[in-house]
Amino acid sequence: QAVVTQEPSLTVSPGGTVTLTCGSSTGAVTSGHYPYWFQQKPGQAPRTLIYDTSNKHSWTPARFSGSLLGGKAALTLSGAQPEDEAEYYCLLSYSGAEVFGTGTKVTVL
Amino acid sequence: QVQLQESGPGLVKPSETLSLTCTVSGGSISSYYWSWIRQPPGKGLEWIGYIYYSGSTNYNPSLKSRVTISVDTSKNQFSLKLSSVTAADTAVYYCARQLASWGQGTLVTVSS
Repeated sequence: QAVVTQEPSLTVSPGGTVTLTCGSSTGAVTSGHYPYWFQQKPGQAPRTLIYDTSNKHSWTPARFSGSLLGGKAALTLSGAQPEDEAEYYCLLSYSGAEVFGTGTKVTVL
Repeated sequence: QVQLQESGPGLVKPSETLSLTCTVSGGSISSYYWSWIRQPPGKGLEWIGYIYYSGSTNYNPSLKSRVTISVDTSKNQFSLKLSSVTAADTAVYYCARQLASWGQGTLVTVSS
């Protein structure tokens, strides 16, 4: 089974920009992996931010964007807010078998 | 707006079968695909599997031998069964529609 790797932790200043990445042990991440991004705050269920690489839900704040970057999936947060402090997980699809990433703890400080 | 609610025993004995149901309200289960995900305390998310409304399924290979997901369109529910549980199966279990709308999760503890 593939391993999906994320940065363990990142820190961003309020109003700053940070990019989280999501890599695959099988090689480059492509649109065919249909990358998802989720935000999870303590004690809450995950909330889906991005699906299929870069598509946003109606509830996704405009400051979040998804892309492919250097063979990885990427989530960019531009203009970080204190309420963005959370754990972020990506998910990749491998021919119908989904694998979550290891998660990134984002601190806004 | 669709809402999902997990239900089932919060305590299961080792070697027994964990059974959970997800009730869907505010929308029909007769479309989309429906997923189960779990999260051990203090750890990351793990995809368990999903079922299409038609009944076709796809499971995590590491759990496939123990997992069954089924759907009951007449009750607008889908269910998870995980057999031969151990303490390692202790987790918050979430159901979701298309990985977009999630239930609040339910903690299942495996202990004698």
